[in-house]
Amino acid sequence: DQQVKQNSPSLSVQEGRISILNCDYTNSMFDYFLWYKKYPAEGPTFLISISSIKDKNEDGRFTVFLNKSAKHLSLHIVPSQPGDSAVYFCAASALGGSNYKLTFGKGTLLTVNP
Amino acid sequence: GEEVAQTPKHLVRGEGQKAKLYCAPIKGHSYVFWYQQVLKNEFKFLISFQNENVFDETGMPKERFSAKCLPNSPCSLEIQATKLEDSAVYFCASSYDRGQPQHFGDGTRLSIL
Repeated sequence: DQQVKQNSPSLSVQEGRISILNCDYTNSMFDYFLWYKKYPAEGPTFLISISSIKDKNEDGRFTVFLNKSAKHLSLHIVPSQPGDSAVYFCAASALGGSNYKLTFGKGTLLTVNP
Repeated sequence: GEEVAQTPKHLVRGEGQKAKLYCAPIKGHSYVFWYQQVLKNEFKFLISFQNENVFDETGMPKERFSAKCLPNSPCSLEIQATKLEDSAVYFCASSYDRGQPQHFGDGTRLSIL
């Protein structure tokens, strides 16, 4: 039973345009969400997070939106750059339940074309 | 240090041998987590520590896997009597406190032959 789903295995965008990566979850106990970027042979790098008490969090070119009623979150990257090409993972945890482990989606490979 | 340091980067063992992986969390971080990545894009939680105490071990295979985080030493994950299915990349992560992002090391690739 996959509790965090990233339904698009891959996404290709042009440099300078917006990249939108999507993530759905099924566990209503999740209250803290994170996005990680991963290059081959490296560990996941933390990008941005959002608590369930918010619906938006912004950090530079990265914005995460949370729609709790739809159990959906998205990561917007504007403008996209070739160096953003990587696998992006959505992750969630249930802090309110003292459960700090991360449950990951299967990732979306983003390719930003020059 | 400022990064989670995992050693070794790559470990090769024959089936049935022991494997031991190490993780130095970021200085000042209270929580340490271990994850197993078997298939390329699937992470499985194994165990977490709050300082030197086991916090959550619900993901640990009980029989052959053990882990420790002792004061003034790197944390360790040990697999006894390794099996082919233990071949994976093992990631360690640390966080300053609950509710703070987890920061990952670059992993140890374990190959069981």
